[in-house]
Amino acid sequence: GQNIDQPTEMTATEGAIVQINCTYQTSGFNGLFWYQQHAGEAPTFLSYNVLDGLEEKGRFSSFLSRSKGYSYLLLKELQMKDSASYLCAVRGRPGNTGKLIFGQGTTLQVKP
Amino acid sequence: DVKVTQSSRYLVKRTGEKVFLECVQDMDHENMFWYRQDPGLGLRLIYFSYDVKMKEKGDIPEGYSVSREKKERFSLILESASTNQTSMYLCASPDSTGELFFGEGSRLTVL
Repeated sequence: GQNIDQPTEMTATEGAIVQINCTYQTSGFNGLFWYQQHAGEAPTFLSYNVLDGLEEKGRFSSFLSRSKGYSYLLLKELQMKDSASYLCAVRGRPGNTGKLIFGQGTTLQVKP
Repeated sequence: DVKVTQSSRYLVKRTGEKVFLECVQDMDHENMFWYRQDPGLGLRLIYFSYDVKMKEKGDIPEGYSVSREKKERFSLILESASTNQTSMYLCASPDSTGELFFGEGSRLTVL
């Protein structure tokens, strides 16, 4: 079967660093995406990993280990506006015809 | 930028009514997707389309149908709405790298 697991909720303090983990078991793998979704809004793209290693983009970084079926999203210098849900999604087939399989999302609450 | 537009942000319908959710994308993409999003369940794929008049079932197609008469428009149809179809519905379209661009969502309540 296909399964993507992420923690349901996390809480962190403004200015701190938080790591959101994602583990996956899928029949194929052609990339892993992270999306951010604020309450009542559509998901927006954060990062994409297809090879092992770390991808850094400003305060956000995403890591992938294909052999372990594992990824994490690292958020540094947390701001209140980072309070949102973070969705991990795996593409099983190559190309843009491939469907994304989503985890249930991790709701992050940033406290002052 | 890719723009995906959904016709209605909020809808309230009664059980048994026929419901149309419309989605339009402006970047000439071939592929379009309909997801529903529920607390604790994440996004689940209902139907997708990879070309005009072509459609394929996703993971939870029961109770839904779709229409793709024009490339830019992908409609989700609930033939007879039921209360368990109360949900947030998200339309999405991928660019050439596979990144999904989402519409704003349509929150449907079935009474």
